[in-house]
Amino acid sequence: KQEVTQIPAALSVPEGENLVLNCSFTDSAIYNLQWFRQDPGKGLTSLLLIQSSQREQTSGRLNASLDKSSGRSTLYIAASQPGDSATYLCAVLPSGNTPLVFGKGTRLSVIA
Amino acid sequence: EPEVTQTPSHQVTQMGQEVILRCVPISNHLYFYWYRQILGQKVEFLVSFYNNEISEKSEIFDDQFSVERPDGSNFTLKIRSTKLEDSAMYFCASSHKGAWYGYTFGSGTRLTVV
Repeated sequence: KQEVTQIPAALSVPEGENLVLNCSFTDSAIYNLQWFRQDPGKGLTSLLLIQSSQREQTSGRLNASLDKSSGRSTLYIAASQPGDSATYLCAVLPSGNTPLVFGKGTRLSVIA
Repeated sequence: EPEVTQTPSHQVTQMGQEVILRCVPISNHLYFYWYRQILGQKVEFLVSFYNNEISEKSEIFDDQFSVERPDGSNFTLKIRSTKLEDSAMYFCASSHKGAWYGYTFGSGTRLTVV
């Protein structure tokens, strides 16, 4: 059974710092991996989707990498801003068209 | 940018009552999903729906739950007799070509059962 783990559970950084959020998954047989942002009490906003054949995806200050063989993904946020404060969720789509499996998230606070 | 719309944003109901959560997926999407997130826990899958029938469901999705696409635009989740443990944030999601192309999630309905 696929398990997704995100470390750390919470992170607090000063504004302007570059940071990395980690996601690991137990079964490398995946179609894709998706990073989401969740603001308190709100929905899930898709940030980046990496297909299993890809190594990374970039959007603005965000860069996500995928190492399928080792079961790892990282989300790199450059020049962090207070507006980046949110919970970041990693989710994998296992092969076989089973549903998305989510991690518990990393709660990020960027301090001005 | 197209959105998945969910209503209501917050619903409070008494234990044992029926609730219907509503979703309007993106108009050209063909695959529809419900997920839920109990406070402080992971987002977990409930059900997927394609071609007017359930394609997959989780252990959580028991006989108390049902889904429907009544009019070609709305996608609803019904809980027949709510329990305290049904209190959660319920998310609707849709996809154009299937989950392998990514999901678009709605902003969620917070269900509180008292």
